[in-house]
Amino acid sequence: EAQVTQNPRYLITVTGKKLTVTCSQNMNHEYMSWYRQDPGLGLRQIYYSMNVEVTDKGDVPEGYKVSRKEKRNFPLILESPSPNQTSLYFCASGTGTGLYEQYFGPGTRLTVT
Amino acid sequence: KNQVEQSPQSLIILEGKNCTLQCNYTVSPFSNLRWYKQDTGRGPVSLTIMTFSENTKSNGRYTATLDADTKQSSLHITASQLSDSASYICVVSGDSSYKLIFGSGTRLLVRP
Repeated sequence: EAQVTQNPRYLITVTGKKLTVTCSQNMNHEYMSWYRQDPGLGLRQIYYSMNVEVTDKGDVPEGYKVSRKEKRNFPLILESPSPNQTSLYFCASGTGTGLYEQYFGPGTRLTVT
Repeated sequence: KNQVEQSPQSLIILEGKNCTLQCNYTVSPFSNLRWYKQDTGRGPVSLTIMTFSENTKSNGRYTATLDADTKQSSLHITASQLSDSASYICVVSGDSSYKLIFGSGTRLLVRP
């Protein structure tokens, strides 16, 4: 089944404790992206990747890191999480060419206390 | 500033009725506009994608319209069903097809 998977789905952590949210897609997509969704603000793009080893900042990259060492994986790293990073995070992938469809993962709900 | 605004914020309709959701954008240059459906607690799912040259695009009971001159789009839902209860999100792409600008969504509740 073609899908985007994220792990963990739920995470509660404390301020300053480094964490990684994994994202994997099995559709051989070039493009992958991370978003956060907060009430009343809609989804905002954090980082995106056009291909392996090619990444760029979205609208809200502060406090986040990403890497794209393999085509299928695009982990999101929070080196020192803070309470304002409490949010619902979505990973997405697509071909990245033309009018491409973007497929979203199921989401990761992160709480930083 | 590139923005996407949606109205209304929320809407309640009776099952079987039609409804229209609005999207206004200030993104320039404009590349394409998408409508997504997001069920509570799940990732968004694409409904339609339109370029500036397209006026209308349908996907079953969902019909999106686009007026690139006035920078407005609408999503019309025909003969609503309980399963249509969700948030509907308008998304615009500008000069980069990789950077998508999301509206905050319209939350639709369909009641029996």
